[in-house]
Amino acid sequence: SQQGEEDPQALSIQEGENATMNCSYKTSINNLQWYRQNSGRGLVHLILIRSNEREKHSGRLRVTLDTSKKSSSLLITASRAADTASYFCATDERAQKLVFGQGTRLTINP
Amino acid sequence: DAGITQSPRHKVTETGTPVTLRCHQTENHRYMYWYRQDPGHGLRLIHYSYGVKDTDKGEVSDGYSVSRSKTEDFLLTLESATSSQTSVYFCAISESDRSSQYFGPGTRLTVL
Repeated sequence: SQQGEEDPQALSIQEGENATMNCSYKTSINNLQWYRQNSGRGLVHLILIRSNEREKHSGRLRVTLDTSKKSSSLLITASRAADTASYFCATDERAQKLVFGQGTRLTINP
Repeated sequence: DAGITQSPRHKVTETGTPVTLRCHQTENHRYMYWYRQDPGHGLRLIHYSYGVKDTDKGEVSDGYSVSRSKTEDFLLTLESATSSQTSVYFCAISESDRSSQYFGPGTRLTVL
């Protein structure tokens, strides 16, 4: 069963606005990862944040991790049409395996 | 796509026939994974490998088998395909079990 849960399931915003997606998990982790999937393509790794880190940046992406709440958020600033995709969080809750959530479907409207 | 290819990219087959999907990598990564992706279920792990001839089951392994005789190739076999195995199959690789994974382009399988 999927233990990472993204929220919301779908998000639609205007180009230029910020998009925030959340992920919750259930057990202790060493790291949490975010992936993007464009329609009809494989997943692409965006960012990895370790359990001893609270915030990480990569370009227009900002990821936070709150291990006390077992949650993470992905913020995309100044969104662009090309950011339209599904976004997944994944945790290493189980040995030798990543557990993926069901994803947030993000639509950027021009 | 980080040196990962999947073949075939599309396949239509009939119930009861055997099907083999191939994943090939040029990155020399130790770990390889097979996932299936279905609407409403997200990405689910079928089998994975942590070295040549070393494989283990994921959460949806029934009806599937795998083999890894070389570092670069990971094969997924459906011994007798069923309609419930209609899905998009993704292969992924990683250097370690907790590091980031790199995904192939996917194989769309339809079982009639």
